[in-house]
Amino acid sequence: EPEVTQTPSHQVTQMGQEVILRCVPISNHLYFYWYRQILGQKVEFLVSFYNNEISEKSEIFDDQFSVERPDGSNFTLKIRSTKLEDSAMYFCASSVEGSSYNEQFFGPGTRLTVL
Amino acid sequence: DQQVKQNSPSLSVQEGRISILNCDYTNSMFDYFLWYKKYPAEGPTFLISISSIKDKNEDGRFTVFLNKSAKHLSLHIVPSQPGDSAVYFCAATETSGSRLTFGEGTQLTVNP
Repeated sequence: EPEVTQTPSHQVTQMGQEVILRCVPISNHLYFYWYRQILGQKVEFLVSFYNNEISEKSEIFDDQFSVERPDGSNFTLKIRSTKLEDSAMYFCASSVEGSSYNEQFFGPGTRLTVL
Repeated sequence: DQQVKQNSPSLSVQEGRISILNCDYTNSMFDYFLWYKKYPAEGPTFLISISSIKDKNEDGRFTVFLNKSAKHLSLHIVPSQPGDSAVYFCAATETSGSRLTFGEGTQLTVNP
């Protein structure tokens, strides 16, 4: 069964450093998403991406965040200068279409720890 | 952000009995609702969904009920099995977009 994969599973970084979280969406999916879950809190939407453009972003997704699809398979989330409050589980998801009626498939997540 | 709320952080049931997980929402623009299941160290896995034009959707042991006037939905699992033990998230989307808005999650424990 096709699945979304994410690397690394755990990333530890120093405050102020840049991190890149990587995702490989399901191959025939066209819409890609990042969500995060801070420990003890809800899963929160960050951004959606289609056709090499951001289609929607939340108020969390400020200028220190960026997304990219550098090749035909990877989808990345970059945090330019990490803060302590960026420590969270980051989930990548993908869907065939971008309408609200489409199931999103989630990866296993990357745990980001900012020291 | 309290647009989707799951008031019960945990639920414990006996194997074979019914599990009922509840979810309330406040945003009238939500028109599609989903339940996801999450095991530790894994991402959320889609379970079942319902459109706002329906009041019930059934898939095997899982049934989701939607009460639009009360802005309430519930997930019924019957019979419950120990393998159903997981965190269950309620989520919702608006017609205009695809972002999922999640509830806090309910930890379901099914005891053998």
